Amino acid sequence: DGGITQSPKYLFRKEGQNVTLSCEQNLNHDAMYWYRQDPGQGLRLIYYSQIVNDFQKGDIAEGYSVSREKKESFPLTVTSAQKNPTAFYLCASSAPRSGRTYEQYFGPGTRLTVT
Amino acid sequence: RKEVEQDPGPFNVPEGATVAFNCTYSNSASQSFFWYRQDCRKEPKLLMSVYSSGNEDGRFTAQLNRASQYISLLIRDSKLSDSATYLCVVRLSNTGNQFYFGTGTSLTVIP
Repeated sequence: DGGITQSPKYLFRKEGQNVTLSCEQNLNHDAMYWYRQDPGQGLRLIYYSQIVNDFQKGDIAEGYSVSREKKESFPLTVTSAQKNPTAFYLCASSAPRSGRTYEQYFGPGTRLTVT
Repeated sequence: RKEVEQDPGPFNVPEGATVAFNCTYSNSASQSFFWYRQDCRKEPKLLMSVYSSGNEDGRFTAQLNRASQYISLLIRDSKLSDSATYLCVVRLSNTGNQFYFGTGTSLTVIP
């Protein structure tokens, strides 16, 4: 089955530690994205990548870093510089469908709790 | 100003009712439009893309009004399983294919 996997589902860390969230897709999509969602809020874009070895900052990139060494993988590192890292992190990928429009598909998410 | 704005609700409707959600977007360069459904503590899932001519998928009908910059979603014959948060999403191609999400409209269908 094609899809996007994120691991782990739940992650607990102590303040001051860096943590890396995994995102893998086998949909052969070029574009991949990282969002965070806080309770009662919409999704906010952290980073996105349109092609291997290239990525751009989103609206809230401070305290995060990414890499895109392979088409199918887009890991996100939450660094100790991120002031409020506890959130629900969602990875997504997209590609044009039938030449008409892009559709974005999400992984199941990782809930990160930092104490 | 937010790129995408939605009425957060909540909408509480009886089973079988028809319910409509609206969403407005601020950037006239928006290229693509979508409705996603998000269940509690789950990832968003694509419900339907919204085309300029409007489109229907079973009990769901989506409309796009480019002149007024709003998108609507109509759900007919509501089912209990329709209870979820509905997210309005637009894609701006002039910002590197970024997607912008509304905060969502909460729907609860009551037996």
